[in-house]
Amino acid sequence: AQSVTQLGSHVSVSEGALVLLRCNYSSSVPPYLFWYVQYPNQGLQLLLKYTTGATLVKGINGFEAEFKKSETSFHLTKPSAHMSDAAEYFCAVSENYQLIWGAGTKLIIKP
Amino acid sequence: DTGVSQDPRHKITKRGQNVTFRCDPISEHNRLYWYRQTLGQGPEFLTYFQNEAQLEKSRLLSDRFSAERPKGSFSTLEIQRTEQGDSAMYLCASSSGQENQPQHFGDGTRLSIL
Repeated sequence: AQSVTQLGSHVSVSEGALVLLRCNYSSSVPPYLFWYVQYPNQGLQLLLKYTTGATLVKGINGFEAEFKKSETSFHLTKPSAHMSDAAEYFCAVSENYQLIWGAGTKLIIKP
Repeated sequence: DTGVSQDPRHKITKRGQNVTFRCDPISEHNRLYWYRQTLGQGPEFLTYFQNEAQLEKSRLLSDRFSAERPKGSFSTLEIQRTEQGDSAMYLCASSSGQENQPQHFGDGTRLSIL
C-alpha cells in the first residue's frame, strides 16, 4: 500500500517569504499526486495535480509543485506568501481510485 | 458546475441515535467517495461508488455504517447507534472518468455526538 509523508505539522513563514511544504510518497508505480488546501470548517479544494508529462506543475493562487521521481517527492512552493494562504495543506496519492492522504501541514503566515 | 453539495452542514445528536447524511455530486460525475476526517488529521477513505455500484469499502466502515447511491446520482451515508468516536467531519467527493482526474469535495457534514 502506498503512503504519504508530510514533513512538519506546522510551518510558519513571514508574509512575502517563500513557502515550501514537503511531501514524500511511497509508490512502486508512477503515481498520480495531488495537493489540496483546506480552510477552517470547509472541504478540500484542489490546488494542483501531477499525472504525467511536465514535472513542474502550476496550480491556483500562485502555487506550484515539482515531481521528483528519484526523490519520491512532490513539494509545494509559492514564491511569496500572502496572509490569505493561511490554511491546512494536504498532499495525496491516488491508489485504485482511493486517495491516500498525508497528515497535513498547517501554514501560518506572520505579518 | 454547481459543485458538490452536502446536507446538513452540522449535526448534533445523542449517543445511540441514528443519523443520515446526504451528498449531491457534480452532475456529470460517475464516481462518488465518502471520507471521514478528525481534527488535525487527513481524510480517511470510507467507501466509493461508480454509478450506483459500491465498489470498495474501508475496514473503517463498521456494520453500523451504510452508504447507498440508489440511482447513481446522490448518495446517503447512515450511521446507526452512534458512538462518541463517530464525532468527525464527513466529507463527500466526486470525480469523473479516469483515476488521474481529481476529486472535488463538498464542505462536509460535521457530526458531534453528545
